[in-house]
Order: sequence, then C-alpha cells, then structure tokens
Amino acid sequence: AQSVSQHNHHVILSEAASLELGCNYSYGGTVNLFWYVQYPGQHLQLLLKYFSGDPLVKGIKGFEAEFIKSKFSFNLRKPSVQWSDTAEYFCAVNPLTGGGNKLTFGTGTQLKVEL
Amino acid sequence: GAVVSQHPSRVICKSGTSVKIECRSLDFQATTMFWYRQFPKQSLMLMATSNEGSKATYEQGVEKDKFLINHASLTLSTLTVTSAHPEDSSFYICSAVLAASSYNEQFFGPGTRLTVL
Repeated sequence: AQSVSQHNHHVILSEAASLELGCNYSYGGTVNLFWYVQYPGQHLQLLLKYFSGDPLVKGIKGFEAEFIKSKFSFNLRKPSVQWSDTAEYFCAVNPLTGGGNKLTFGTGTQLKVEL
Repeated sequence: GAVVSQHPSRVICKSGTSVKIECRSLDFQATTMFWYRQFPKQSLMLMATSNEGSKATYEQGVEKDKFLINHASLTLSTLTVTSAHPEDSSFYICSAVLAASSYNEQFFGPGTRLTVL
C-alpha cells in the first residue's frame, strides 16, 4: 500500500524565515499530489496541487511546491513565513491507477511561526 | 466556494449508545463523500467511501457493522457509530467530492469530536 512520509513533525520559525516541509511518498505509478493546511480550529483547506506539467506549482498565500519524480518527493516551500502561517500542514497523494478519488495523507507537520 | 458542514461539531455519549454524524455539501451535489478518522497528533485515516445510491466501500480494518454509512441524497451522508466505546473517541472528518472540478476535488467538513465515556 502507498504511504506518505512527512519527516518534520514540528517546526518553529521566526517571521520572515524561509520554510521547507518535506514530503515523500511510496507509489510507483502516476500520482496527483496535494498540500493541505489546517489552521487552528478550522477545517482542511487546499494549498496547492500537482497533476502534470511544470513540476513547480504555486498555490495560495505565497506557497509553492516542487515535484521531483526521481525522489518521489513533493516538498512545500515559502520564502518568508508570517505569523498567520501557524497551522498544521498535510501532504496527500492520490494514485491515478486504482485509487479513485482516494487520498492518502502524511502524518502532518505542525508549524509555529513566532513574532 | 464549495462548503461542507458537519453536525454535530462535538458530541459526548455513554458507552454502548449509538451516535449519528451528518455531513452535508451545502452548495453543490456530491455523488461521493469520504469519511476519515483523525487521532491526536496523527494523520487522517480514510475509513470509507460513501457513494450516493449504493453501499459504502470500507477500508481494510474498518468494521462496517460498527460504522454505518448512509448516503441518502446528493448532499447528505451520515456516519453512525453503533454501540460506541471509549476507543471510538476520535475526530471524524468528512469530505465531499466536487465532481464538476477538473480533478474531482475534495472539500472537507470541519470535523466532529466524539468522546465516549
């Protein structure tokens, strides 16, 4: 079965610092890739997604992610974080073969941005 | 945007009772909804796929007689936790698939916190 790994469980940054959250998946076929964010007390929201084409995708709020097929990775980045980016971030994978619309989530990364 | 609601947002019940959680797509129709379970500091685990007009598809290890799913209409799916026990205490989240989107995007509800005493 496919799995999704997020190696950073807790990240603490100061405002204006750069962010990179790792995401690796184990699935040999073609996949759709997603990053979701969950702000405190709110529901999951889609940050960005990758289907095909340019492996560098841009999402909302200045986030971007790069798909590196050879590394089975889809790392999330932001050049300069803000206090309002404090949230939990989840990477998710949807295998295109036999997966239907199913998403497999990583364990999440709790990001805290300090003023 | 597409909005998904869940009711109730939190529920406390006694061991042995059954609890029903509703998931509604407020401004779109969803032929497919998903039910997830999230333990503290852990990821969302898919429990089942709810399809309108047909039986739900459960993931391996999820007891279908324990977690009853009914997708009664294109805007409503319910999850009933039968004979709940303390180990069923968790955060239950649903999502609804917007079929009209380019890739069948899932929109998530706010979740329901279940505590079984």
